[in-house]
Amino acid sequence: SAVISQKPSRDICQRGTSLTIQCQVDSQVTMMFWYRQQPGQSLTLIATANQGSEATYESGFVIDKFPISRPNLTFSTLTVSNMSPEDSSIYLCSVGLAGGLQETQYFGPGTRLLVL
Amino acid sequence: RKEVEQDPGPFNVPEGATVAFNCTYSNSASQSFFWYRQDCRKEPKLLMSVYSSGNEDGRFTAQLNRASQYISLLIRDSKLSDSATYLCVVNAGYSTLTFGKGTMLLVSP
Repeated sequence: SAVISQKPSRDICQRGTSLTIQCQVDSQVTMMFWYRQQPGQSLTLIATANQGSEATYESGFVIDKFPISRPNLTFSTLTVSNMSPEDSSIYLCSVGLAGGLQETQYFGPGTRLLVL
Repeated sequence: RKEVEQDPGPFNVPEGATVAFNCTYSNSASQSFFWYRQDCRKEPKLLMSVYSSGNEDGRFTAQLNRASQYISLLIRDSKLSDSATYLCVVNAGYSTLTFGKGTMLLVSP
């Protein structure tokens, strides 16, 4: 596995503002992902963070709302822009690594966001 | 039909009991399968991969039935520390994972 850290671990923000979440991995990884987990729900993939190119967004998520950077193989950021209370959620980054015989994902500790 | 379906529970069992969870998936092209564990207010952690031949890791046994498109997890001799939400996860390719909503397990003394 890998050691994955996220900053901030939690934040309370006012609507209309933006928050940038950082994800740092202790080794170089090809695949990095950003997820959202809303209260009582499972994880929903926001986008795949591609190193050296634009992120690949899932249906329902757009770059203007969730811009992502991936400057190198150990770091990525997700920005939640123009926040509203509906953006209150846990945001998790993950990295793709081998898990036994199959490639799977390992998660950072998450960033708990509350938008007032 | 949801892509990955699980009984949300909660399953309430006493210590030492055996408990089983099932999960069904809709995409027949799914290639790999996993069980993750998520403790309250924590990130999901990989519990075990699920192989076609079935696999065991200590008290945990995972089975895959491709024909019926379901995955199971069996926990023997439940411990208090097994209390958590168990997420069924399917990879349909391109390294993207689809998560079920999870099954909550509560093990009581």
